[in-house]
Amino acid sequence: NAGVTQTPKFQVLKTGQSMTLQCAQDMNHNSMYWYRQDPGMGLRLIYYSASEGTTDKGEVPNGYNVSRLNKREFSLRLESAAPSQTSVYFCASSAETEANYGYTFGSGTRLTVV
Amino acid sequence: AQSVTQLDSHVSVSEGTPVLLRCNYSSSYSPSLFWYVQHPNKGLQLLLKYTSAATLVKGINGFEAEFKKSETSFHLTKPSAHMSDAAEYFCVVSGVPNSGYALNFGKGTSLLVTP
Repeated sequence: NAGVTQTPKFQVLKTGQSMTLQCAQDMNHNSMYWYRQDPGMGLRLIYYSASEGTTDKGEVPNGYNVSRLNKREFSLRLESAAPSQTSVYFCASSAETEANYGYTFGSGTRLTVV
Repeated sequence: AQSVTQLDSHVSVSEGTPVLLRCNYSSSYSPSLFWYVQHPNKGLQLLLKYTSAATLVKGINGFEAEFKKSETSFHLTKPSAHMSDAAEYFCVVSGVPNSGYALNFGKGTSLLVTP
């Protein structure tokens, strides 16, 4: 099925551990995004990639790194996890056209840092 | 800068009564606006979107929203609430080219529907 696939769906980390969240889309979209969702805060943009080979910081980039591996894949890395990074993470992609903003979201990764 | 303000963090209605979820936006461009819904422990589902065509936008499950430029508002309504409408609702405004058109989310409104 066409869409955005995130792995893993759930993860528990200890403080200081590292991990990479994977995201892949098969819609040939140029733009990809990573958001985090916290209660009462909505979704906040961590990083985005407007095209293959480019990445830029969003609203809350501290503690994260990203890689746009190719057009399909956009990964999010936590080098040294902290309890403040406990959140639900969503990857999204978009067709990025003026006339019709088509965004597709993954199903999310629920991360707990203890 | 593009931003949205959802005026109510919680709304409670009785089943069968109208729903009104309020959203004001700020935008330096002609915006595209969206409403997303998230049921408990689920992902995001697009309810409807406005992209500068008709100002009254109809979405799924009987929801609709009206774009009012003079009031910078994009309120979500439904004539009759159903128990299954209980969820978190997000008003969202489109981004700008130098942000990769990243969406900007409101903080959400939690809708409670009572029998």
